[in-house]
Amino acid sequence: DSGVTQTPKHLITATGQRVTLRCSPRSGDLSVYWYQQSLDQGLQFLIQYYNGEERAKGNILERFSAQQFPDLHSELNLSSLELGDSALYFCASSGYNTGELFFGEGSRLTVL
Amino acid sequence: GENVEQHPSTLSVQEGDSAVIKCTYSDSASNYFPWYKQELGKRPQLIIDIRSNVGEKKDQRIAVTLNKTAKHFSLHITETQPEDSAVYFCAASLHDKIIFGKGTRLHILP
Repeated sequence: DSGVTQTPKHLITATGQRVTLRCSPRSGDLSVYWYQQSLDQGLQFLIQYYNGEERAKGNILERFSAQQFPDLHSELNLSSLELGDSALYFCASSGYNTGELFFGEGSRLTVL
Repeated sequence: GENVEQHPSTLSVQEGDSAVIKCTYSDSASNYFPWYKQELGKRPQLIIDIRSNVGEKKDQRIAVTLNKTAKHFSLHITETQPEDSAVYFCAASLHDKIIFGKGTRLHILP
């Protein structure tokens, strides 16, 4: 158990819909990262937050947005969903200046 | 931005032999290079990492080497065992971004 909690574990929805994925980091970790893992693809970096502020942005689509709340949990919002958005979405957290990412179990999104 | 290339995409080795996975990165300012192992259906987990001020690091059967001049780093697994079968990801870190390679699927053959 990494200490990072992601919900929901599985989600099936239709094209055009909007979903929200939630992540609670390890106790004490201020950084939260979001990654997308498609079939046979690597871990695509989406976005990173530190203590409520956006710190780095990757190839995140304009239809996607995220935020980190004062209690440090984070949410990834995916809207106008397309078939190609079907993937495993990982959240990870890290402590200050340690570098190591602790991943959650992931949220598997299926868009039909 | 940073780009990480990883080779090979698939690697099969006989049990007991060594496995080597190679990565290159594009931004010379990257200063942290972790390796993650992802077993089937599980989350990625850190197995070893190296910082830019170090050329080599070992932890039992695994080692990582870094060549800053050439901007490449490698993972070496010796005396491979069945439990080493997994997908391995290299990554490079720069300014809060941790960019991963596409992964190497390692098969350990009996």
